Amino acid sequence: DAGVIQSPRHEVTEMGQEVTLRCKPISGHNSLFWYRQTMMRGLELLIYFNNNVPIDDSGMPEDRFSAKMPNASFSTLKIQPSEPRDSAVYFCASSLRGAPNTGELFFGEGSRLTVL
Amino acid sequence: GQNIDQPTEMTATEGAIVQINCTYQTSGFNGLFWYQQHAGEAPTFLSYNVLDGLEEKGRFSSFLSRSKGYSYLLLKELQMKDSASYLCAVTKGQNFVFGPGTRLSVLP
Repeated sequence: DAGVIQSPRHEVTEMGQEVTLRCKPISGHNSLFWYRQTMMRGLELLIYFNNNVPIDDSGMPEDRFSAKMPNASFSTLKIQPSEPRDSAVYFCASSLRGAPNTGELFFGEGSRLTVL
Repeated sequence: GQNIDQPTEMTATEGAIVQINCTYQTSGFNGLFWYQQHAGEAPTFLSYNVLDGLEEKGRFSSFLSRSKGYSYLLLKELQMKDSASYLCAVTKGQNFVFGPGTRLSVLP
């Protein structure tokens, strides 16, 4: 079975441009998470969805960030307008929550974003 | 909220044993995960503790004390490929919150 699939793997853009990151979770998983990782702040939770519904978006930095999950097999994280401080690796992860499964997270390979 | 602490860096020798600690303060705690992350790669699942005690899985073991808000990851018979960051994550409901990670360097 394919794992979590993210695209693009790398993106370099200029300040002010719109950035869209995409994620396809593992088929059958009912929870999806977006994380951001930097050297300074580590792995930060931005938002997570359960059954396509956003449950907690308190980690989203500001209004420039938005996330959607229109169906069980696709999610997007959008930054508009992008700023240099948004440069980071963005990970998408999915899990299957509920007994007897431990519900561990399966991570995609990440999208490395550089905003100039 | 969830306040999670781990040592920033550790160094150990090939073949040795190393213990990586994780302390947390959280309300509504469900369980604790350990993940391994090699440089430039995604985190991968190592272990999960929900009850107090030791969970053993090959060379890796993880311990949890819920009353003390404390966990450790024990790595035995260290190999060079174990050089990586190790992150503990606390779960509350469906939310995962990760600690800052411990960067382990294994020397020959």
